[in-house]
Amino acid sequence: GDSVTQMEGPVTLSEEAFLTINCTYTATGYPSLFWYVQYPGEGLQLLLKATKADDKGSNKGFEATYRKETTSFHLEKGSVQVSDSAVYFCALHTQGAQKLVFGQGTRLTINP
Amino acid sequence: EAGVAQSPRYKIIEKRQSVAFWCNPISGHATLYWYQQILGQGPKLLIQFQNNGVVDDSQLPKDRFSAERLKGVDSTLKIQPAKLEDSAVYLCASSLEGRGANVLTFGAGSRLTVL
Repeated sequence: GDSVTQMEGPVTLSEEAFLTINCTYTATGYPSLFWYVQYPGEGLQLLLKATKADDKGSNKGFEATYRKETTSFHLEKGSVQVSDSAVYFCALHTQGAQKLVFGQGTRLTINP
Repeated sequence: EAGVAQSPRYKIIEKRQSVAFWCNPISGHATLYWYQQILGQGPKLLIQFQNNGVVDDSQLPKDRFSAERLKGVDSTLKIQPAKLEDSAVYLCASSLEGRGANVLTFGAGSRLTVL
């Protein structure tokens, strides 16, 4: 079945460091790909998405590119801030299954 | 626009007791989802409604969990009897039909602790 695998956390970085959180997927068909973020004490929020191969999603300085050849959707940010501390979830949505499948989440902590 | 409303935010019960969670989706969103998020894991879909019909309940433990969506708007998720392993955050989400159906808006969740 469809699945998403994220790099294991927790990830701890210093402010202004470069961030990469790896995400790979297995799916039949052509899924849409998402990154959701969960800040402490809050619900899941959509961070960015890409709906077809080579699309780049971006928001709040974060970027991810849909790579069909490597079945990946890695999240990157050039300079992280303390306020980026949260749990990040990679997810996919296939038209056939009509549901969102999540990875296990990666907890990110940014130290000042 | 108002978001997805859920209640209660927190609930503590003993095993074998029952509990119910309520969700009010965004107005006009035809599709409603209930996810279970166990600590340290990603959310897992329990049940998906399209209007008031069930689209997918393949991962709902039907011996103890039930859900309904009356009149295609609000939804209630019930657990009876609860087990220790049901301790989790129960997330409700909604989405539009057709284009945009793959973007879900989540509520803040209902955290259940079973003792």
